[in-house]
Amino acid sequence: KQEVTQIPAALSVPEGENLVLNCSFTDSAIYNLQWFRQDPGKGLTSLLLIQSSQREQTSGRLNASLDKSSGRSTLYIAASQPGDSATYLCAAPKKDDYKLSFGAGTTVTVRA
Amino acid sequence: GAVVSQHPSRVICKSGTSVKIECRSLDFQATTMFWYRQFPKKSLMLMATSNEGSKATYEQGVEKDKFLINHASLTLSTLTVTSAHPEDSSFYICSVLRQGAYEQYFGPGTRLTVT
Repeated sequence: KQEVTQIPAALSVPEGENLVLNCSFTDSAIYNLQWFRQDPGKGLTSLLLIQSSQREQTSGRLNASLDKSSGRSTLYIAASQPGDSATYLCAAPKKDDYKLSFGAGTTVTVRA
Repeated sequence: GAVVSQHPSRVICKSGTSVKIECRSLDFQATTMFWYRQFPKKSLMLMATSNEGSKATYEQGVEKDKFLINHASLTLSTLTVTSAHPEDSSFYICSVLRQGAYEQYFGPGTRLTVT
């Protein structure tokens, strides 16, 4: 069973600081790894998907890296803004099925 | 990304009644959808895999007679919470699988409150 861990559980930073969110997984046989954002009381918004053959993926201020051999992914958010305040979740499907195993999330607060 | 809708977004029902939640894939046909449950300040817990034209596959510990899933078409899956009790109150989220890409697109969620 895939176990996904996210550290830290919560993060509070002043506006403008860069954010570093960590995700680790126990089974490296994954198809891809997805990062999601969830606002309170809302569904999930997909931010980035990194294929297992890739090492990183970028979208605007967001950059995600993937190191399958060590079972880690990191999400970097540059020049944080108050609108970045949300819970960020990572998830990965194992190669033998499509099911996503989620981490518990990192709740980010960006102070104006 | 693909658009997934859920209806209703919020529902309040009395204990003992049944509630149906719909999940629709608006951008592509999906043979596989998933249903998740999320408790406050917790992560998503997979409840079941909804397969078009066949029975749903439930995760360990999820009562299939309690949470009825029907995937009658390639764009619609429904979750019915039968004889709901206050402990069934939760946030229910569906997702749609884009096969080949192994990517899931999530609906906006349904907040169920059982009084």
